[in-house]
Amino acid sequence: DAGVIQSPRHEVTEMGQEVTLRCKPISGHDYLFWYRQTMMRGLELLIYFNNNVPIDDSGMPEDRFSAKMPNASFSTLKIQPSEPRDSAVYFCASRLSDRLNTEAFFGQGTRLTVV
Amino acid sequence: GENVEQHPSTLSVQEGDSAVIKCTYSDSASNYFPWYKQELGKGPQLIIDIRSNVGEKKDQRIAVTLNKTAKHFSLHITETQPEDSAVYFCAASKSRGAGSYQLTFGKGTKLSVIP
Repeated sequence: DAGVIQSPRHEVTEMGQEVTLRCKPISGHDYLFWYRQTMMRGLELLIYFNNNVPIDDSGMPEDRFSAKMPNASFSTLKIQPSEPRDSAVYFCASRLSDRLNTEAFFGQGTRLTVV
Repeated sequence: GENVEQHPSTLSVQEGDSAVIKCTYSDSASNYFPWYKQELGKGPQLIIDIRSNVGEKKDQRIAVTLNKTAKHFSLHITETQPEDSAVYFCAASKSRGAGSYQLTFGKGTKLSVIP
């Protein structure tokens, strides 16, 4: 398996534009997580899915953020409209649930810059 | 929800010395404690993990200890090498109840190994 795949790796956009980040989890994993990483706040959990269903979106900062998982192999995180304070690295991670608790695998991240 | 505190935020050691990073957690239901290493421009990668049914685990130069009573766990790196320089994150997770399988991360420790 190629691991968790995120695209794009880098995104530069103007304030007010819509941004869509994409994630392909590891095949067979039933949990998918979106994290945001900044120097000030570290790794923040934005939202996570179990079997394509959103379980907890309490970390989504504002209504400008939305996430979907239409199937087991694809998820998107959308920001509309984007603002400079959204600049960060966004990570997607996936995990297989079992009673032993297993490793979460991270993608390489998308570095978002909003100017 | 779970809260994970991590100390120190930065750590500099001479090559060959040991490094210790400490974390505390708040949710007594947490039963899985991974440690991730993040190199520049990459996503976090698991280096070692421990489950609540053991007190210590070793893997070559890396060891993790867990004190469930005190709700703290630590990462120990012996004989440090320049390639150990990175940001290290601790995390906690549980397998039952609300919020199960989500990982809550500490703020990270930037480790610098001086040759």
